[in-house]
Amino acid sequence: AQSVTQLGSHVSVSEGALVLLRCNYSSSVPPYLFWYVQYPNQGLQLLLKYTTGATLVKGINGFEAEFKKSETSFHLTKPSAHMSDAAEYFCAVSATNTGGFKTIFGAGTRLFVKA
Amino acid sequence: DGGITQSPKYLFRKEGQNVTLSCEQNLNHDAMYWYRQDPGQGLRLIYYSQIVNDFQKGDIAEGYSVSREKKESFPLTVTSAQKNPTAFYLCASLGGGNQPQHFGDGTRLSIL
Repeated sequence: AQSVTQLGSHVSVSEGALVLLRCNYSSSVPPYLFWYVQYPNQGLQLLLKYTTGATLVKGINGFEAEFKKSETSFHLTKPSAHMSDAAEYFCAVSATNTGGFKTIFGAGTRLFVKA
Repeated sequence: DGGITQSPKYLFRKEGQNVTLSCEQNLNHDAMYWYRQDPGQGLRLIYYSQIVNDFQKGDIAEGYSVSREKKESFPLTVTSAQKNPTAFYLCASLGGGNQPQHFGDGTRLSIL
């Protein structure tokens, strides 16, 4: 079975500061990992994904994440926050199991960006 | 452009009434999903379908029903048995394997 834990339901940063959103997962099989962003009253939009290969993954809007198997982590970072980054972010893990592919989502982290 | 269309954007339900949320995709994806989103609770899986004419209950299926008569369509009915239906409902589809889910823009359901 898979699970996802996002540390911190709310994160606040100043504009121009580093953004770090934490995600830890558990999976009994090699996982596929995703970060999504959600703006108010909209659906989820894919930021980036890790499937196989390079463990540092670059996504849209300057975000990147690093898959660390030894730490079972997939933290999302961005060097310099913009006001437009204020949104809710979801980490997700997907893997095959007896029920086919299932995706498990974390509870989400709301990012606030202060001017 | 391919994508997922959910309608309506906003929906109101009266007591004792069933309502149906529409989800249509033109991505040629086999799998489709319905999630419920409440503030601070992330996404909870209601139902999913991996092929036409087949679907499975998710974690919170009670009070909901679905059908999958066509590959493109996966409507969700919120029945009167669902006592707390006020939420944001998201439909998603999956092309398979290691791909991410694609999401619609959601339907917000409220009680009158």
